[in-house]
Amino acid sequence: SYELTQSPSVSVSPGQTASITCSGDKLGNKYACWYQQKPGQSPVLVIYQDTKRPSGIPERFSGSNSGNTATLTISGTQAMDEADYYCQAWDSGTVVFGGGTKLTVL
Amino acid sequence: QVQLQESGPGLVKPSGTLSLTCTVSGGSISSYSWSWLRQPAGKGLEWIGHIFSTGNTNYNPSLNSRVTISADTSTNQFSLKLRSVTAADTAVFYCARDSVAGSLRYFQHWGRGTLVTVSS
Repeated sequence: SYELTQSPSVSVSPGQTASITCSGDKLGNKYACWYQQKPGQSPVLVIYQDTKRPSGIPERFSGSNSGNTATLTISGTQAMDEADYYCQAWDSGTVVFGGGTKLTVL
Repeated sequence: QVQLQESGPGLVKPSGTLSLTCTVSGGSISSYSWSWLRQPAGKGLEWIGHIFSTGNTNYNPSLNSRVTISADTSTNQFSLKLRSVTAADTAVFYCARDSVAGSLRYFQHWGRGTLVTVSS
């Protein structure tokens, strides 16, 4: 079965750029999306189809996907961005999630 | 704006069947595909399966033998049944509406989630 791998945690200082990566075999040949989840809340879609932002998602969130790695980039990270982030892809008729990355804004 | 709300028992006995319903408002379930997902406490998201607007279903292979998803267009609801549950099935269960972009299926609309505990 297809697997997506994320680093468990990433730390960033306020105002700096955070990069969260998601690795999978030939992931660049598929589309990826990203969700933000804060404690006690449902996930929120922040990026879909590799690079697209849903309405209402701040411009500081961006995405890319090439080779074996998809990346979620948060520019000018704010304290409110502290959350768990999950990547997701679609493979062989199955939805696959990464294990999640906890973003800490120090 | 579509809204989803999960409902069902919060406690299920081991070896029993977990049954949840998702009530959809703000749109017809006949027009989209709908998924169930779950998240054990402190762990990641897992997709359980979905039902297409045709009524066809597709399940996560890891749960395929225990899962049934169905829909009732007259009540605008879809449901999940998970059989032979164990403590490992304890989780927050979410219903969501499928969105499709190219070859990607993803979730922009989620319910608030409901905690189901498997315990005697």
